Amino acid sequence: EPEVTQTPSHQVTQMGQEVILRCVPISNHLYFYWYRQILGQKVEFLVSFYNNEISEKSEIFDDQFSVERPDGSNFTLKIRSTKLEDSAMYFCASSALAGGGEAFFGQGTRLTVV
Amino acid sequence: SQQGEEDPQALSIQEGENATMNCSYKTSINNLQWYRQNSGRGLVHLILIRSNEREKHSGRLRVTLDTSKKSSSLLITASRAADTASYFCATDAIGRDDKIIFGKGTRLHILP
Repeated sequence: EPEVTQTPSHQVTQMGQEVILRCVPISNHLYFYWYRQILGQKVEFLVSFYNNEISEKSEIFDDQFSVERPDGSNFTLKIRSTKLEDSAMYFCASSALAGGGEAFFGQGTRLTVV
Repeated sequence: SQQGEEDPQALSIQEGENATMNCSYKTSINNLQWYRQNSGRGLVHLILIRSNEREKHSGRLRVTLDTSKKSSSLLITASRAADTASYFCATDAIGRDDKIIFGKGTRLHILP
């Protein structure tokens, strides 16, 4: 069964460093998403991406964040100048259709900023 | 806000009993989805119900949707220990269907 793959599963970084979280969405999907979940809290929408551009972003997704689909298969989330409060699980998701279909999630990357 | 809100926040039941979780939301939606999350792990899609559907079944899961009340329920019948997890509803609003918003979740604990 096709699945969304995220790497790494766990990333530890020093405060102020940049991190890139990687995702390989399901191959025929067109819509891509990043979500985060701070420990013990709810899943929060960050950004959606379609046709090589951001289609929607939340207030969390400020200039510190960027997304890219560099090669037609990977979908990355870059976090610049990481802060302690960026520590969270980051989930990538993809769907074939916006609104009309299921979103499939990866297993997540646990980011720990120290 | 278009957030889904689940209740109860936590639910403990005996194995074999049925578990019912509810979700309410605020704006008109295209679809409502239910997800399961085992502790510290990824989100697993359980079921999607469209705004023009009222009930849907998948195995031991039964989902209802009442768009007039802006609410949904997830029923797990004959619960098992492996059903212990957090359950989230997620909605996408009409006209903003590329943004799925999750509720806070219900933590379900199945007692042996």
